[in-house]
This record gives sequence, C-alpha cells and structure tokens, in this order.
Amino acid sequence: DAGVIQSPRHEVTEMGQEVTLRCKPISGHNSLFWYRQTMMRGLELLIYFNNNVPIDDSGMPEDRFSAKMPNASFSTLKIQPSEPRDSAVYFCASTLSGGGTDTQYFGPGTRLTVL
Amino acid sequence: AQSVTQLGSHVSVSEGALVLLRCNYSSSVPPYLFWYVQYPNQGLQLLLKYTSAATLVKGINGFEAEFKKSETSFHLTKPSAHMSDAAEYFCAVSQGAQKLVFGQGTRLTINP
Repeated sequence: DAGVIQSPRHEVTEMGQEVTLRCKPISGHNSLFWYRQTMMRGLELLIYFNNNVPIDDSGMPEDRFSAKMPNASFSTLKIQPSEPRDSAVYFCASTLSGGGTDTQYFGPGTRLTVL
Repeated sequence: AQSVTQLGSHVSVSEGALVLLRCNYSSSVPPYLFWYVQYPNQGLQLLLKYTSAATLVKGINGFEAEFKKSETSFHLTKPSAHMSDAAEYFCAVSQGAQKLVFGQGTRLTINP
C-alpha cells in the first residue's frame, strides 16, 4: 500500500524562480496538510484541506505561497517568486478525518534550496 | 492557544540504558497528544498517541508515554535503548479538530 508521495524529493532553484511542490495523499484519505521544517522554526503547519477545501491557511507565510487541491488525489504548493529564506524541507501529510485523534501520515518530504 | 515544550534539544544515552524524552504541553481543554519519530531524510512516523483513554500509552518499537494532567506532561520512555532508536523525536498536541502543534524536537543519540 503506497504511502504519501511527494515530488520532487530535492529541488534547487534560483531566487525569483517559481517552485511547485507536489503531493499525492494516501488513497481514501480526505484531509491533507502541508508543513515546512527548518532548523530555526521547527515544524510549522502551512495549510490544510478537508475534502479538497482549504480549511486553515493561517500558517502560509505570505502571498508568495499558494496551495491547491484540485481533486482528492493531488495537491500542489507553489512559491512564486522564491527567496533564499524559503529553503526548507516541505512535508505533505494525509489522514482519514474522523476527529482530533486522526493519525497523520507523512510523506518523505521535498528538500528545497533557493540560491 | 495550545503549545508544546520539549526539554532538551539533544539527548544522548548508552545502548541498553533508559531513554527519557520530556514533553510538557499547554492546553485549555483536554488535549490529544502524540509522539512522532523522524529518521534521517525521512518523514515523520507516529510512535504513539494519547486520546483520553488509558493514561499510559504503549507505542511501537517498545516506547511508551504517560499522560500526567497534574504535571501537564507526556514524557516518552523506553527501558532499554537500541542503536536503531537514534532519530529525532517530536511531541505534538492537537489544536482544534485536526491541527497539530509540534514541539521543537529532541535529537536522540545512542552511544555504543
């Protein structure tokens, strides 16, 4: 049974370029989360979706960040334009929503480096 | 707002020794609490979770944690450390219906 799939695993880009990170949640899961992990700030929730609808995007740093979930099996996180301070590991997680105890299953992450 | 504090960003123990990773939470309502483990270059994996049932929670790989409301703590323990336990461990509290708030993490090193 495939877990959460993220692509690419590594991305190196130059400042000002557009970056798109992709996530495929576990089949049957109805909630999806995007996290960012840095040494300075730890693990931060950026946005989460329930049934493809964004529920809480209060963690999105600024307008340069956007996320979409066009269907139950795919989500993107886009940064435009990218900046060096966006360098981090970005994780996607999914769960079958049924309450506050739902276990979130994490993907392997995308390591983003912005030069 | 709910929050989590992990005491000690780095813990080092000898193989076979007791592992104790500390987590204190802040919550105005009964919380749901989690411990996750992250191995190098991997995502997070759930070790165990507290959901207001038994206060002593057993997880995978021999880990367990005890919920102590009076101390607002949820410390993670393992009686005997193994080399394969070397990883980063995160405590988290659920905030609202689904949001998780994570602690800063504790890196566990096992000495042979």
